[in-house]
Amino acid sequence: SYDLTQPPSVSLSPGQTARIPCSGDALAKQYASWYQQKPGQAPLLIVFKDNQRPSGIPERFSGSSSGTIATLTISGVQAEDEADYYCQSLDNSGDLVLFGGGTKLTV
Amino acid sequence: EMKLVESGGGLAKPGGSLRLSCVASGFDFNTYNMNWVRQAPGKGLEWVASISGTSFYSYYTDSVKGRFTISRDNAKNSLYLQMTGLRVEDTAVYYCARVIGYYGSGSPFYFDHWGQGALVTVSS
Repeated sequence: SYDLTQPPSVSLSPGQTARIPCSGDALAKQYASWYQQKPGQAPLLIVFKDNQRPSGIPERFSGSSSGTIATLTISGVQAEDEADYYCQSLDNSGDLVLFGGGTKLTV
Repeated sequence: EMKLVESGGGLAKPGGSLRLSCVASGFDFNTYNMNWVRQAPGKGLEWVASISGTSFYSYYTDSVKGRFTISRDNAKNSLYLQMTGLRVEDTAVYYCARVIGYYGSGSPFYFDHWGQGALVTVSS
């Protein structure tokens, strides 16, 4: 089991908006980050500190957090966004790293 | 250009040992916390271990405590994971990853760069 909970899968048509939630008690005090992973590739950081986007990441990717739920939003999903998405945080004590179980986005 | 390159993966028998290495380039290695993260076949990401820039502290996930040791040699820009007492369930791709941030409550902590991964297979 995971201390951060994500839906296993989300399926959308191109142009729709994807909202992937990540829930966990630790998120009430810790920042969330999000990673995209395509088959055979290493994970790629797409959101950090709840809502910050690294350079080079398209604006359609955004993050938010409220209480114990962090959300990754992909506005106007494209075929190339089909991938697994993982949330990550620290535990309540701030000593251990947590990952969500991952969400497979199908476009 | 920042790079992380893992090596040392391979096949080991249950109870055996392997040592993974990760060579870093393109940044001041000794100023960053470094981690190992693994991914079993068809499964999600699992954090394994972390070490501070000076090796002052290290942390491990419960399932590897007492069996795995994370270390680093800043003079060689290298990160290591010594794995002993290997189990079938340790079979995974092991990634080294650089951390931005620090441990603590309310602290930002995220992996901004990842290596390509090294496959470890534990089987009799």
